[in-house]
Amino acid sequence: DAGITQSPRYKITETGRQVTLMCHQTWSHSYMFWYRQDLGHGLRLIYYSAAADITDKGEVPDGYVVSRSKTENFPLTLESATRSQTSVYFCASSEMGADNSPLHFGNGTRLTVT
Amino acid sequence: TQLLEQSPQFLSIQEGENLTVYCNSSSVFSSLQWYRQEPGEGPVLLVTVVTGGEVKKLKRLTFQFGDARKDSSLHITAAQTGDTGLYLCARSRGNTPLVFGKGTRLSVIA
Repeated sequence: DAGITQSPRYKITETGRQVTLMCHQTWSHSYMFWYRQDLGHGLRLIYYSAAADITDKGEVPDGYVVSRSKTENFPLTLESATRSQTSVYFCASSEMGADNSPLHFGNGTRLTVT
Repeated sequence: TQLLEQSPQFLSIQEGENLTVYCNSSSVFSSLQWYRQEPGEGPVLLVTVVTGGEVKKLKRLTFQFGDARKDSSLHITAAQTGDTGLYLCARSRGNTPLVFGKGTRLSVIA
């Protein structure tokens, strides 16, 4: 079935380790996004991509790296994880830019940094 | 800066009651989307409103976009336990990525 898949679903890592969260979509949507969701802050945009090889920073990009070598994949890497990066991470895709184009979200990755 | 204010933050009601939640901004937005998120899942789009004064209905849910396109409301008639979840509004301005409010967490008790 078409959709957007995030992996892993749960991840526990230690401070200072590198960790990569995967996101794969089957719709061939141009746009992809990474949000983090925290109590008291809601959903905050980390990075987004308008097409393969084009990425832009969002509201909270520090400590994260993204790449988009293929349209369908948009991995998010924490280069040296910190406790403040404990969160639920959501990947999303959309056919066009934000206006009138709904976001399709994955079911999230719950990351705990110890 | 919180660009979208949602209220109330939490709401707990009995099944069968009516409720309204709000989404407000000091800025004009070109469109506004409402999402519902259930535990352990990603948000799912409910509706997009584009025109000032627009009203859209989705079964027992009524969405209204303010005339000045700075605010929106979601009214649920005769709430059911299946309406429980986090309701998020999100705004766009042109082609910039969506910005979300913090949400209203609704609990409908049988």
